[in-house]
This record gives sequence, structure tokens and C-alpha cells, in this order.
Amino acid sequence: AQSVTQLGSHVSVSEGALVLLRCNYSSSVPPYLFWYVQYPNQGLQLLLKYTSAATLVKGINGFEAEFKKSETSFHLTKPSAHMRDAAEYFCAVFNQAGTALIFGKGTTLSVSS
Amino acid sequence: DTGVSQNPRHKITKRGQNVTFRCDPISEHNRLYWYRQTLGQGPEFLTYFQNEAQLEKSRLLSDRFSAERPKGSFSTLEIQRTEQGDSAMYLCASSLVQGGFTDTQYFGPGTRLTVL
Repeated sequence: AQSVTQLGSHVSVSEGALVLLRCNYSSSVPPYLFWYVQYPNQGLQLLLKYTSAATLVKGINGFEAEFKKSETSFHLTKPSAHMRDAAEYFCAVFNQAGTALIFGKGTTLSVSS
Repeated sequence: DTGVSQNPRHKITKRGQNVTFRCDPISEHNRLYWYRQTLGQGPEFLTYFQNEAQLEKSRLLSDRFSAERPKGSFSTLEIQRTEQGDSAMYLCASSLVQGGFTDTQYFGPGTRLTVL
């Protein structure tokens, strides 16, 4: 069965510091993986997706993620955090049928000045 | 491309009342999805349509919930006899599926339901 686990429900960084949000997946088929961001009282915005092409995926707002099959991981990184990056981040994987998304519980990113 | 829209954005109702939400997908998208998100959790899949056909329902979709997409365009989600446990954010998403390839799901802003 497909699932994702986000390690750390809350991550705090200083402005300008490296952002690392962790996601591990479980999948019985080659996975399609996604990172979404949610700002308060808003819907989800796609940051980036992995669809079995390049293992290093670049997304919007300076974020990127690396697919590591050996570690079953898809961690999200950004070299330098900005105050506007403060939000909730969700890792997701397609279910086996490729229809529904299965989300992790989310990681709240706080950025301090 | 105007994005996915949802109405209303907020709904407060009393326990036992019926509520209906509307979702307008991105115009050329043939798939439409409903998810529910409770506080502190990620979204959970409820159901999806391909054009006007409802192809999958999760076990979360109790018999008090019904979704329609009558002409393959907008969709409605109705909850009958609301309960306090129905309080959540209801998210709609749409995608374009061509040749069996599943594309990205784009989400609307959600409808926040509060049941008193």
C-alpha cells in the first residue's frame, strides 16, 4: 500500500538558513511523489513533483527535492529560507491506481528573522 | 486559466442541517476530486469524477454524503444531517488525464465547514 511519512511536525529555521523537510514513502509500484504548500486558510499549491524522470526535481520559489529510491525518501530543501516560506508543507504520493493522492500529516515551517 | 474555485469559502451550520458546497474546476480538466482536511492533518481523499461519472469513493464518504457532477463541469458535495465531526476543510481539485497518464491535481481554496 502507498503511504508517506513526514518526519517532524514542526521545523523552525532562521531567515537565510537551509530548509530541510523530510518525507519517506512506501510504495508497491514506482511512485509519483509531490510536495504541496498550504498558506493559512488557503488551498494547496504544487511546489514540485517527481514522475520517474530526473531524480533531482526543481520547483517553484527556489525549492527542490531529491528522489532516493535506496532510502525511500523525497526530502524537500531550499538553500536560504525567507519569511514568506512560513507555511505548512505536505508530501504526497499517488495511490496504486494513480487516482487519489495520499498525503502525509504535514510539516509546519516557521521562519524567524 | 482561472484556477479551481469553491463556494462558499466558509459555512457555519447547526447540527442536523444539510449543507451543499460547489466546486468549479479548471475548464479543460476532465477529472474532479474531493478531499477533506481536518485540523492538523493532511487532506484525505473522498471521491473523484471522470467527466460526469463518479468512479471511486473512499470509505470516508458515508451515506450522508453525496457528490454529483451532472454535466461533467462543476460539482456539488452535499452533507445531510450534519454532525460536529463533519467540521473540516473540504477541498476540491481537478486534473487533466490523457491517454491514461495521470497529471497534477490543482486545488481550490477550500470550503471551511463548522458544525455547531
